[in-house]
Amino acid sequence: DVKVTQSSRYLVKRTGEKVFLECVQDMDHENMFWYRQDPGLGLRLIYFSYDVKMKEKGDIPEGYSVSREKKERFSLILESASTNQTSMYLCASSTPDRADTGELFFGEGSRLTVL
Amino acid sequence: KQEVTQIPAALSVPEGENLVLNCSFTDSAIYNLQWFRQDPGKGLTSLLLIQSSQREQTSGRLNASLDKSSGRSTLYIAASQPGDSATYLCAVRGSNYKLTFGKGTLLTVNP
Repeated sequence: DVKVTQSSRYLVKRTGEKVFLECVQDMDHENMFWYRQDPGLGLRLIYFSYDVKMKEKGDIPEGYSVSREKKERFSLILESASTNQTSMYLCASSTPDRADTGELFFGEGSRLTVL
Repeated sequence: KQEVTQIPAALSVPEGENLVLNCSFTDSAIYNLQWFRQDPGKGLTSLLLIQSSQREQTSGRLNASLDKSSGRSTLYIAASQPGDSATYLCAVRGSNYKLTFGKGTLLTVNP
C-alpha cells in the first residue's frame, strides 16, 4: 500500500516562528503536493512538485515555500508563521499524468495552530 | 477556471439505505475524477478513481459513474452502514497536474 507520512500530526507555534512541515512517501511517486484545508473553503493547493528540485506555485503560495531535495520528501516551510496560517495541512503524492493512473494519495494531515 | 460542486452539503440516512452523492464540474476537459472519504481530523482516503475514458468504477459497495459531457459524477453507496459516516469529496484533475476539489458532502448513517 502507498504510504504518505507527515511527521507531525499536531503543532503549536508562535507568530513569527519558522515552521517546517515534513512529508515522506514510499512509492517512488514523482508528483507531490501541499494543500491546506479550512472550514468553508475546502482544500486549496499551496505548492506542488513534479520532480526533485522542481516546484510550482499553487493557488495560495503567499507566505509559504517548499523544498524537494529527494524524491521521497517534500517539505513545506512557513518562513514567519502568522495566525492566519492556522489550518490543517495535507500532503499528497501521485504518479505523473502520463502514467497509468495519476491517483492521489494523502497523508494523515498536520494540524497547525499559530498563537 | 474549473469549479466543482457537491450537492447536498449534508445528508442523513437510516442504516441500510442506498444513497447517491453528486458531484458536478464546469470544465469537461478533465484527465480523471477521484472520490475520497475523510473522517474528522484525518487525511483523505482514496475510494475510487475514474479515468476520463471510463464511465464507471466499482469497489465493494461503492460505485462511481462519470458523464464528462454533462460534467457530472455520482457516488452510489449500497446498503449504507454507520461506519460509512464521513465527509465525501470529489476532485477533478485537469491537464496541469492540479486537482480541483469540491467542498464535500457530510454523510451521517444512523443506526
